[in-house]
Amino acid sequence: EAQVLESGGGLVEPGGSLRLSCAASGFTFISAWMAWVRQAPGKGLEWVGRITSRDVGATADYGAPVHGRFFISRDDSKNMVFLQMNSLRTDDTALYYCSTDDGKTWGQGALVTVSS
Amino acid sequence: DIQMTQSPPSLSASVGDTVTITCRTSQIINNYLNWHQQRPGKAPKLLIYGGFNLKGGVPSRFSGSASGTHFTLTISSLQPEDFATYYCQQIYDVPRTFGQGTKLEIK
Repeated sequence: EAQVLESGGGLVEPGGSLRLSCAASGFTFISAWMAWVRQAPGKGLEWVGRITSRDVGATADYGAPVHGRFFISRDDSKNMVFLQMNSLRTDDTALYYCSTDDGKTWGQGALVTVSS
Repeated sequence: DIQMTQSPPSLSASVGDTVTITCRTSQIINNYLNWHQQRPGKAPKLLIYGGFNLKGGVPSRFSGSASGTHFTLTISSLQPEDFATYYCQQIYDVPRTFGQGTKLEIK
């Protein structure tokens, strides 16, 4: 069964940084395109970004609200994808989901709270 | 960016009813359209991909249709566990975009 599991959430002050991790299992990770999606409290789903597989360059694309502050990377040797979040703002507070880019597999989410 | 217009924002129905949710895209996306269900406090779950393909394990009362930029999700014979929020999502281009969501509530 395909699964992904996020970790690394927590409380951070505005302007700070945080790194989320996502561990994948049950599917061929090396060929999977992976995404991050977030959901602010009481709000809808917002696409954060995605990274392609290494065979097509492991290219990352981002949504406008996080472009230049957030960075996605992957380690195929560990079946993991990461979300490095810098210059965090209060409106980045959300539950961050790791998913396959095709939307077929989702994790349970990691809560990130940005507050002083 | 591809804009997603999902309607209605909320819907009230009874167990056994049939409901339809609509999603319109701002350009042709070659049916690269997903429908997700999100129950309260839970992660989203894929129901339909490619506009009308039912994901394995999803009950057959869920169905999707696609015509150009117009997509629908129909749920027949509503069950208590179907009362949730539903989102469409295009995966044709980046940035991927979601509809605003439709909250399906019990009447």
